[in-house]
Formats: sequence, C-alpha cells, structure tokens
Amino acid sequence: DTEVTQTPKHLVMGMTNKKSLKCEQHMGHRAMYWYKQKAKKPPELMFVYSYEKLSINESVPSRFSPECPNSSLLNLHLHALQPEDSALYLCASSQGRPNTGELFFGEGSRLTVL
Amino acid sequence: GEDVEQSLFLSVREGDSSVINCTYTDSSSTYLYWYKQEPGAGLQLLTYIFSNMDMKQDQRLTVLLNKKDKHLSLRIADTQTGDSAIYFCAETTYGNNRLAFGKGNQVVVIP
Repeated sequence: DTEVTQTPKHLVMGMTNKKSLKCEQHMGHRAMYWYKQKAKKPPELMFVYSYEKLSINESVPSRFSPECPNSSLLNLHLHALQPEDSALYLCASSQGRPNTGELFFGEGSRLTVL
Repeated sequence: GEDVEQSLFLSVREGDSSVINCTYTDSSSTYLYWYKQEPGAGLQLLTYIFSNMDMKQDQRLTVLLNKKDKHLSLRIADTQTGDSAIYFCAETTYGNNRLAFGKGNQVVVIP
C-alpha cells in the first residue's frame, strides 16, 4: 500500500462552519504534512508532524488546527475560515528521520469557503 | 524556504524531447527532486538526485545537475500526452522536513 488517502475530496463550507479534513497512510511513515496549494502555484507548507508530535507550524492562523491521533492519521480542523482560505489542501507523508524529502502526496481535498 | 526559480510554460509535440529548467539558491541542498502534478491530482515524485551527482537517468527521464551554477534540469525523452502536467522542482537538506518548491512549469503535449 503506497497510498495517502484524503477525505473528503471536495468540501464547501460557510465562514461560520466547523469541518475537518482527514488523511490516512499505512506505509509506516512517521512524518506527515499539511500543504495548502492555490491554483497553478507550488504547495505551501502548513504543518509537519514527526513521530506524532507537531514539529513545524509555518505561522498558520489558528482557524486551522492540526491533529495527529496516531502515526497513520492526520486531521486538519477548520473553523471560521475566510474565502481566501479556499484552496487544495494536500496531505503528504514520508519515512521520518532521516528524512530525504521523498514525500508521498494524497490527491488533496478541494476546499471552497463561501 | 530558499528561492527556487522555474520558467512557467512549455509546449511540446508528442514524440519530441522536453526540457524543464530550475535554479536554486541554497548551496547546502542535499537532495533535489522533480515532482509531477496532473490536473486535479496530488504531487507525484518522479525522480531525485543527490547533490554529489551530475546526472541521473531513469527510463525516459534524465536529470542534470550543475552545482556550480545551481541549475537543475529535467529532460523527458519521447514526450507522451500523459506527460502533460505541472512539474515542480524541489530541494531540501538532509534531515530537514522542509521542501522548497519551485514555482512550477506547465508542460502541454500536443498530439
């Protein structure tokens, strides 16, 4: 199994809603990532979990809240988002330490904030 | 992240070779990557090269690295319609969980 599975594939939410994006991998990887990607732009790193601990937070607004319940799962909780938060949210995983940058990406969750 | 520069658009006829270029600024980069993103999909790692290598060939893909000029290129031989995608170069250093991506290069293959 070399897949990173993300759900939902599409999400439309209002600015007052609370929703979550989910990511799962069963490759035994110990590092998991959230990226945000706008159309025709490179992915922007948001968060990194390494061995289930948050190791990188790229100054992401608190309306985005990551959670890593175990080594296979990564969630991104969304609350009070803004229309400019509409984007493709990509989850990725890698082996962990030592990390060579070989990331395995999911297909992404396309988020639209109304 | 560090600055990684890429040109934006390339149109190529099916069967021809295509070359995508990338420059980076971090001389301590250990690993350099090429990722492919098809429409509506996530990124797929195509190939990578260690900074102590000059060239790597992997089937139709050839990666060239000029460390002196900090220049990375990807050559795709016999380009197919399935190669139409956005290609991102990326770099990192050993043990660093941050990948610095280039702006991406859209390749359109004309049948």
